[in-house]
Amino acid sequence: DQQVKQNSPSLSVQEGRISILNCDYTNSMFDYFLWYKKYPAEGPTFLISISSIKDKNEDGRFTVFLNKSAKHLSLHIVPSQPGDSAVYFCAVIGGSNYKLTFGKGTLLTVNP
Amino acid sequence: DSGVTQTPKHLITATGQRVTLRCSPRSGDLSVYWYQQSLDQGLQFLIQYYNGEERAKGNILERFSAQQFPDLHSELNLSSLELGDSALYFCASSAPLESETQYFGPGTRLLVL
Repeated sequence: DQQVKQNSPSLSVQEGRISILNCDYTNSMFDYFLWYKKYPAEGPTFLISISSIKDKNEDGRFTVFLNKSAKHLSLHIVPSQPGDSAVYFCAVIGGSNYKLTFGKGTLLTVNP
Repeated sequence: DSGVTQTPKHLITATGQRVTLRCSPRSGDLSVYWYQQSLDQGLQFLIQYYNGEERAKGNILERFSAQQFPDLHSELNLSSLELGDSALYFCASSAPLESETQYFGPGTRLLVL
C-alpha cells in the first residue's frame, strides 16, 4: 500500500505562472516532508523540506505547505521557469532510521 | 554536484552474474543509504549504514548485500542477477546532525540481459 501518493503524473504550466505540485500521505507519524527534483540521467536533488511542527517553509521561489489534518503536502513554484522542468518527488521521513519513502513523482513541464 | 559519487555509471551484465556498485559519500557524512528506482516501483529504500554499522533495512532482497568501510565508502553487492534487477541504483548520504536531508549521487544504471 502506498504511503505517499502523487496523483498527478504530469503537470504543464506557462513560464512565469505558478506551479503547484501535490502529495498525499497516509501516516500521521511522519516527522519530515521533503521535495526532490530529478532531471533525466541524474540523481534526485534536494529542494526543500518542512518538519511536521510547521505548516509552511519558503526558500526563494519555492514554498512548501503542510496540511496535517488533511495529510496533504504541496510545493508552490513562483514564478515557474523552463529550467524547473523535471520530475518532482515528494518524500517523507518517519522513525529513527531516516529512510525516505517517495511518491511516484510528477513530471513538471514549464513552457516558454 | 551533490558531492556523492557512484561508480560505475552504467553496468551491463547477464542473468546469474554478480556485480558490485560503489558509493563515496560527501565529506563528513556518516550515513549512507541505497535506493533502487525501477519503472514500476519508483524509488525504493534498500538499506542504510551509519559509520560502518547497518542501521535500517528496507525492501532489499536476500541476494543483495551491502557494507560500509572504515573510510565510509559503501558497496552494494547484487548476486544471482535476474532480469527484474535492471534498475537505477542510487546512493545517498547525510550529515550527522542533518539526517533528514539526504544528498543523492548520480546513480548506477544496471541492465541485466
